[in-house]
Amino acid sequence: DAGVIQSPRHEVTEMGQEVTLRCKPISGHDYLFWYRQTMMRGLELLIYFNNNVPIDDSGMPEDRFSAKMPNASFSTLKIQPSEPRDSAVYFCASSPGTDRGDTEAFFGQGTRLTVV
Amino acid sequence: AQTVTQSQPEMSVQEAETVTLSCTYDTSESNYYLFWYKQPPSRQMILVIRQEAYKQQNATENRFSVNFQKAAKSFSLKISDSQLGDTAMYFCAFMTPRSYNTDKLIFGTGTRLQVFP
Repeated sequence: DAGVIQSPRHEVTEMGQEVTLRCKPISGHDYLFWYRQTMMRGLELLIYFNNNVPIDDSGMPEDRFSAKMPNASFSTLKIQPSEPRDSAVYFCASSPGTDRGDTEAFFGQGTRLTVV
Repeated sequence: AQTVTQSQPEMSVQEAETVTLSCTYDTSESNYYLFWYKQPPSRQMILVIRQEAYKQQNATENRFSVNFQKAAKSFSLKISDSQLGDTAMYFCAFMTPRSYNTDKLIFGTGTRLQVFP
């Protein structure tokens, strides 16, 4: 498996534009996580899914953020409208899950988002 | 709610020396998992070591070991014989299995470790 794949690697957009980040988890993993990394706040959990169902979205900062997982091999994180304070690195991670006897989360390379 | 605290934003160590990174957490759960992840300048997140709360023996992976103090809710990482390649951001993480928010994985704010020659 190629690992967790995120796209794009870098995104520069203007304030007010819609931004969509994409993630392809590792095949067979039941869990998918979205994180935001900033210098001030470290790695914040935004939302996570189990078997494509959102389990906890309490970390989503505002209604401008939304995430979907239409199938087991694809997830999106959308910001609409984007603001400069959304600038950060966004990570997607997947894990088999403790029910499968494996707790390790595998991370994508991240998307560096810059909103100007 | 579970929280993870890393009180050392930055640390430095000389090559071949030993360094310990601190982590504390807060939870009412009795069973959980703890992790240390490494993030080198490449930005890739790499699992260094993990510990299951019900296991009393401290986990060890080559030069990396943990000091798990369940009663104190402390989980420190010791790096022995530090190498230049250990220079990275280190994150402590916590996971709750088999509870309401099952397999929720949360991280501390990280400790930036610099290894000097």
